Amino acid sequence: AQTVTQSQPEMSVQEAETVTLSCTYDTSESNYYLFWYKQPPSRQMILVIRQEAYKQQNATENRFSVNFQKAAKSFSLKISDSQLGDTAMYFCAFLTLSSNTGKLIFGQGTTLQVKP
Amino acid sequence: DAGITQSPRHKVTETGTPVTLRCHQTENHRYMYWYRQDPGHGLRLIHYSYGVKDTDKGEVSDGYSVSRSKTEDFLLTLESATSSQTSVYFCAISGDTDTQYFGPGTRLTVL
Repeated sequence: AQTVTQSQPEMSVQEAETVTLSCTYDTSESNYYLFWYKQPPSRQMILVIRQEAYKQQNATENRFSVNFQKAAKSFSLKISDSQLGDTAMYFCAFLTLSSNTGKLIFGQGTTLQVKP
Repeated sequence: DAGITQSPRHKVTETGTPVTLRCHQTENHRYMYWYRQDPGHGLRLIHYSYGVKDTDKGEVSDGYSVSRSKTEDFLLTLESATSSQTSVYFCAISGDTDTQYFGPGTRLTVL
């Protein structure tokens, strides 16, 4: 069974600085997707970034980038130039393509606070 | 933003009563999902649908049933609500089995 682990329950960063959120996963699959979702106080789940396992290049979306280490089963999220609006809970999620059901496996989440 | 709405957004009910939550999408996506979110557990899949009248169980399906009679609507029913079903419920949609987009959530409290 696949599992996703986020080992940092809470983190904080000063505005304009860079922060990295960690995520590790366990799977025997070779073809899968990884995601980071953001959940601000409004509770809405917002897709931040997506990575296909077959792509070696790390995904980037504006100030958000990932460090995908497939052999180590690690998928960290880097937020550059942190903004107050980045304050949220961040979830790492894994999706296998083998079952054809689209079932997402979520980590427990990391609460990020951006301080002024 | 993907066109997904959930109703109601908040509900308080009593133990033993039936409850139905509705998810409505305007994207014509094939796949729809129901998750629950509890502290310390992230989101966990309750049920999902891969087409009209085609549904299957997720990892925490006990006490829940679903129905999908139209592409746009996916209903989640708590047949007899219990306090352990107090949670925040999210609907998600996907055009394939790839990226999922989430609705705004429903906070359910069972007294």
